[in-house]
Amino acid sequence: DTAVSQTPKYLVTQMGNDKSIKCEQNLGHDTMYWYKQDSKKFLKIMFSYNNKELIINETVPNRFSPKSPDKAHLNLHINSLELGDSAVYFCASSQDPGRASEQYFGPGTRLTVT
Amino acid sequence: RKEVEQDPGPFNVPEGATVAFNCTYSNSASQSFFWYRQDCRKEPKLLMSVYSSGNEDGRFTAQLNRASQYISLLIRDSKLSDSATYLCVVNIGDRGSTLGRLYFGRGTQLTVWP
Repeated sequence: DTAVSQTPKYLVTQMGNDKSIKCEQNLGHDTMYWYKQDSKKFLKIMFSYNNKELIINETVPNRFSPKSPDKAHLNLHINSLELGDSAVYFCASSQDPGRASEQYFGPGTRLTVT
Repeated sequence: RKEVEQDPGPFNVPEGATVAFNCTYSNSASQSFFWYRQDCRKEPKLLMSVYSSGNEDGRFTAQLNRASQYISLLIRDSKLSDSATYLCVVNIGDRGSTLGRLYFGRGTQLTVWP
């Protein structure tokens, strides 16, 4: 029944490690997103894919690399984790990348880097 | 300057009260507008879209003033279950394309007490 799912829900790791977060949507949407919500609660877009093609790439360190094997999945790999990467990462999807699209969010992955 | 500015609150109101939230946006190219709701440690969920003519959904009324670049949300007859953070969201279209991206305010925290 879950529309947008993410794994893992919690991730605690040490500085310098490499980790991945997975996202899947069963809504049949074409567009998927990654957002970061920091400790001040600002939610900021990082990447967007439409039908497996990268369409939005905000100013994000290149240690972050998204991958979309198919339009229902968008994974996020992070290399050389830093303390500042600690945040909640939300995956989202929408029908299309248009201007008025409603977005559906996954439950979030709470990443803590120690 | 942030794309979307909101008063973070917190707003603490008794059940049955009427409460209003405001936000302003800086980019006149903003195309569409939304209020999302985020419960503690949960994902954001769309509450309602906001139209220039104003729109109502039960106890919730949203208004948009394009000239002043100002969006509001009014909640009447507050319920305990309304306690959450309310995010003002603006979709800004890329020039010359149909692509849009969401910009979130930092949210206004509401607590309704019995």
